[in-house]
Amino acid sequence: GEDVEQSLFLSVREGDSSVINCTYTDSSSTYLYWYKQEPGAGLQLLTYIFSNMDMKQDQRLTVLLNKKDKHLSLRIADTQTGDSAIYFCAESALSSGSARQLTFGSGTQLTVLP
Amino acid sequence: GAVVSQHPSRVICKSGTSVKIECRSLDFQATTMFWYRQFPKKSLMLMATSNEGSKATYEQGVEKDKFLINHASLTLSTLTVTSAHPEDSSFYICSAWRLFYGYTFGSGTRLTVV
Repeated sequence: GEDVEQSLFLSVREGDSSVINCTYTDSSSTYLYWYKQEPGAGLQLLTYIFSNMDMKQDQRLTVLLNKKDKHLSLRIADTQTGDSAIYFCAESALSSGSARQLTFGSGTQLTVLP
Repeated sequence: GAVVSQHPSRVICKSGTSVKIECRSLDFQATTMFWYRQFPKKSLMLMATSNEGSKATYEQGVEKDKFLINHASLTLSTLTVTSAHPEDSSFYICSAWRLFYGYTFGSGTRLTVV
């Protein structure tokens, strides 16, 4: 079955860049997502990338996709204390225009130190 | 953007009682609703997938008689935890999907069974 893996913890200093990595196994993945979850809250979609793209940038966020290695990364520039949260990568594939379940990684706890 | 409202955000109930959690898509009609369970510091575990007007498809190991899912309309899905026990205490999150809207998550419900 599909598997998505992430490292569990990352600590960075305020103002530095954070890079959160993710690997997946399903070669039919169509979309890859990054979600942010703050304590006691639901998931907030940060960004997503379509499988035929290599890179996507949105303000402080840069997503890199290496489809050959099935590796996805999220870079947060100028990391702030408000970025401290759990970050999940997730993958899905479309099937004839209908939804397929998201497969989530284990989540990476990002801690931003002052 | 697409908004999903999930209620209640927090509920405490006595062992043996039933609890209903609502998930509403406010500004779009959701073709598919997903229900997840999240244990502390863990990833999201898919419980079931429901399409409007159809019976929900439950993941392996999820008791369909215990976790009743109703998706009677394109904007409302409910999860009822029947005869709740302390081990059912968890964080439950819904997600609504529609083509071109993608996945939109509710803010989650913290269930505590005492």
